[in-house]
Amino acid sequence: EAQVTQNPRYLITVTGKKLTVTCSQNMNHEYMSWYRQDPGLGLRQIYYSMNVEVTDKGDVPEGYKVSRKEKRNFPLILESPSPNQTSLYFCASSRMGGASTDTQYFGPGTRLTVL
Amino acid sequence: DAKTTQPTSMDCAEGRAANLPCNHSTISGNEYVYWYRQIHSQGPQYIIHGLKNNETNEMASLIITEDRKSSTLILPHATLRDTAVYYCIVRVAFNNAGNMLTFGGGTRLMVKP
Repeated sequence: EAQVTQNPRYLITVTGKKLTVTCSQNMNHEYMSWYRQDPGLGLRQIYYSMNVEVTDKGDVPEGYKVSRKEKRNFPLILESPSPNQTSLYFCASSRMGGASTDTQYFGPGTRLTVL
Repeated sequence: DAKTTQPTSMDCAEGRAANLPCNHSTISGNEYVYWYRQIHSQGPQYIIHGLKNNETNEMASLIITEDRKSSTLILPHATLRDTAVYYCIVRVAFNNAGNMLTFGGGTRLMVKP
């Protein structure tokens, strides 16, 4: 089954404790992306990757890092999480980047709480 | 990308057609109309998209007015599982910012028994 998976689905952590949220897709997509969703602010893009070893900042990259060493994986790293990073995070992928006509497939979401 | 305006919420009876409007009066000639939906706290799900012709797939139909300033998403036989927030998005086919989607407030559709 074609899908985007994220782990963990739920995470409660404390300020400053490094964490990684994994994202994996099995559709051989070139493009992958991370969004965060907050009440009243909609979905905002954090980082995206057009292909392996190619990453770029979205609208709200501060406090986040990403890497794209393999096509299928696109982990989101919070080196020193803070409470303002408490949010619902979604990973997405599409066949290629730049083309809006490509359907984006979203993962199930990771609900992160930083105390 | 053009701004869109959607009603905040709508109700629909189960089994009836749900017609969700979207206004995009500043749309440019090279911008597509996309619809996604998000069932409570799940990842957004693609529904349909179009440029100027009406489109239909297994999920829905998209009707775009001739002047392209508005569109309507039609769910022909709404079920309780169609209860979700529906987002209308307008954007160009290619841009340098990757494939970023910008979701506005959307329409919260409540399908009632």
